[in-house]
Amino acid sequence: AQKITQTQPGMFVQEKEAVTLDCTYDTSDPSYGLFWYKQPSSGEMIFLIYQGSYDQQNATEGRYSLNFQKARKSANLVISASQLGDSAMYFCAIRNYGGSQGNLIFGKGTKLSVKP
Amino acid sequence: DAMVIQNPRYQVTQFGKPVTLSCSQTLNHNVMYWYQQKSSQAPKLLFHYYDKDFNNEADTPDNFQSRRPNTSFCFLDIRSPGLGDAAMYLCATSRDPVQPQHFGDGTRLSIL
Repeated sequence: AQKITQTQPGMFVQEKEAVTLDCTYDTSDPSYGLFWYKQPSSGEMIFLIYQGSYDQQNATEGRYSLNFQKARKSANLVISASQLGDSAMYFCAIRNYGGSQGNLIFGKGTKLSVKP
Repeated sequence: DAMVIQNPRYQVTQFGKPVTLSCSQTLNHNVMYWYQQKSSQAPKLLFHYYDKDFNNEADTPDNFQSRRPNTSFCFLDIRSPGLGDAAMYLCATSRDPVQPQHFGDGTRLSIL
């Protein structure tokens, strides 16, 4: 069975500083994808970044980067130069390519608060 | 510009009164998903359609049904809502099951 663990229920960061949100995962499937989503208080889920298990390089999307350490089964999200609009819930998720189609397993999330 | 559209944004229904939530997409994606997200919890997949093929999660209550009349639309029907069904319902789409899922703004359902 797949599992995502996000150990930080809440995080604070000063505006313009970088922050790392932790995510560890467990899966028996050698082929999988890791995703990060942002959920503001308004409720919509916004896709941020994706990392495939066979990707050689860490994924980057603008201010977002994924620190993928396969041996440690971790996929931490790094947000550089935090902005007030980054305040939101952040969910890490995994999907096994060999398993049930479409079954995206989410972690419990980390609430990030950016201080001015 | 909205690509996954959920209507309504807020829905109030009475205990036991059937309710339908709708989702439409302009992305022409093959897969459409419905998630339930209760307060302070992670989203939980209820079911999804891959084209016309319906895939129900094993622990989705029978009270929840879905219809996909065409590529663009997908509906979530709750036959007899209980108080425990109050939640945010999120619709998502993806080009295929391995691609990232794109979510709508959600429908927040309240039960009176």
